[in-house]
Amino acid sequence: EVQLVESGGDLVQPGGSLRLSCVGSGLTFKNYWMSWVRQAPGKGLEWVANIKEDGSEKYYMDSVKGRFTISRDNAENSVYLQMNSLRAEDTAVYYCATNWRVGYWGQGTLVTVSS
Amino acid sequence: QTVVTQEPSLTVSPGGTVTLTCASSTGAVTSGHYPNWFQQKPGQAPRPLIYNAINKHSWTPARFSGSLLGGKSALTLSGVQPEDEGDYYCLLYYGGAWVFGGGTKLTVL
Repeated sequence: EVQLVESGGDLVQPGGSLRLSCVGSGLTFKNYWMSWVRQAPGKGLEWVANIKEDGSEKYYMDSVKGRFTISRDNAENSVYLQMNSLRAEDTAVYYCATNWRVGYWGQGTLVTVSS
Repeated sequence: QTVVTQEPSLTVSPGGTVTLTCASSTGAVTSGHYPNWFQQKPGQAPRPLIYNAINKHSWTPARFSGSLLGGKSALTLSGVQPEDEGDYYCLLYYGGAWVFGGGTKLTVL
């Protein structure tokens, strides 16, 4: 059974930092692009970032460029999202997902940015 | 800034047929946008339905189909079931980055 499990979500003050992790099992993790997608409370889905199989390419949505960094460790079947200079509008459930053709998603981890 | 537009809400009767669409502010949606469709129910993670415009996942019910129609990506549900009620999102590719549509709330009534 394929599983993606996110962790690291927490309550953090504006301007603070947080590192999210996503661990995969039951799949050959190194073969897939991986993405982070977020959903603010009561709002729609928002693609945040993705990373190529070998980590050589990374892409970000405009509003997180320079603040968020996606990375991966294929030996640990893990993808990460380092989030710095957090803002209230970054409050959301953050999901990790494999490439869309394969179609696996985690259950999400909640990040709350508030003072 | 690229905007992907979906119908905010649609209502369909059980057993009926409904088509949801996905438009791009940059022009016609093509196969090069690799359109994807997702279903989401309250409190759950999104569930992928369609990738690359027309391809179904192994878990996608046969009543769901994807197409490119009139410059848009489309998701058609034929023989709608009550359990199809939920939010539906499309996702388009723009040279490295991806953009979700705002979502369509589908009511089965």
